[in-house]
Amino acid sequence: DAGVTQSPTHLIKTRGQHVTLRCSPISGHKSVSWYQQVLGQGPQFIFQYYEKEERGRGNFPDRFSARQFPNYSSELNVNALLLGDSALYLCASSPIAGGLGWETQYFGPGTRLLVL
Amino acid sequence: GQNIDQPTEMTATEGAIVQINCTYQTSGFNGLFWYQQHAGEAPTFLSYNVLDGLEEKGRFSSFLSRSKGYSYLLLKELQMKDSASYLCAVRDPYNTDKLIFGTGTRLQVFP
Repeated sequence: DAGVTQSPTHLIKTRGQHVTLRCSPISGHKSVSWYQQVLGQGPQFIFQYYEKEERGRGNFPDRFSARQFPNYSSELNVNALLLGDSALYLCASSPIAGGLGWETQYFGPGTRLLVL
Repeated sequence: GQNIDQPTEMTATEGAIVQINCTYQTSGFNGLFWYQQHAGEAPTFLSYNVLDGLEEKGRFSSFLSRSKGYSYLLLKELQMKDSASYLCAVRDPYNTDKLIFGTGTRLQVFP
């Protein structure tokens, strides 16, 4: 079975530009979350979507937005890029939302974004 | 607020045992996860604890004490491939799909 896939794998942008990152969850998974991981830090939660609705938002500015499509894939958009947006962007999927069991989130390989 | 602390770096020798500690302060508790992350790769799930005690999975074990806000990951019979970052994460008590991660502990295993 294919795991979580993300595209592109690497991206270089300049300040002020915008970027769209894409994620396809594991087949059957309906919940998608996005995390930002700056070098040397743990992942920071950005968004969670379930059944095309936003279920959670982290402490990120409005320049960050996301959506989920009927096939449960998701896009993360970042406008007006800043140097500090350079990071590994991770997408994670899980079968359901609101689970309390061991069922965890499965992470994709990430998109490494460099803002110059 | 939520806060998770773990050591930044650790070193160990091949074949040895290493314990990576994690302390957390959260307004509620819904479970704690350990992930392994090799450089440039995605985090992969190692273990989950929601009740006090030790969970053993092969060479890896994870321990939880909810009253102390404390967990550790124990790695036995270390191998070179265990060199990676180990991330401690807790579920957000208000959104169980949100994981709150520590900064990670970078473990280097030497021959």
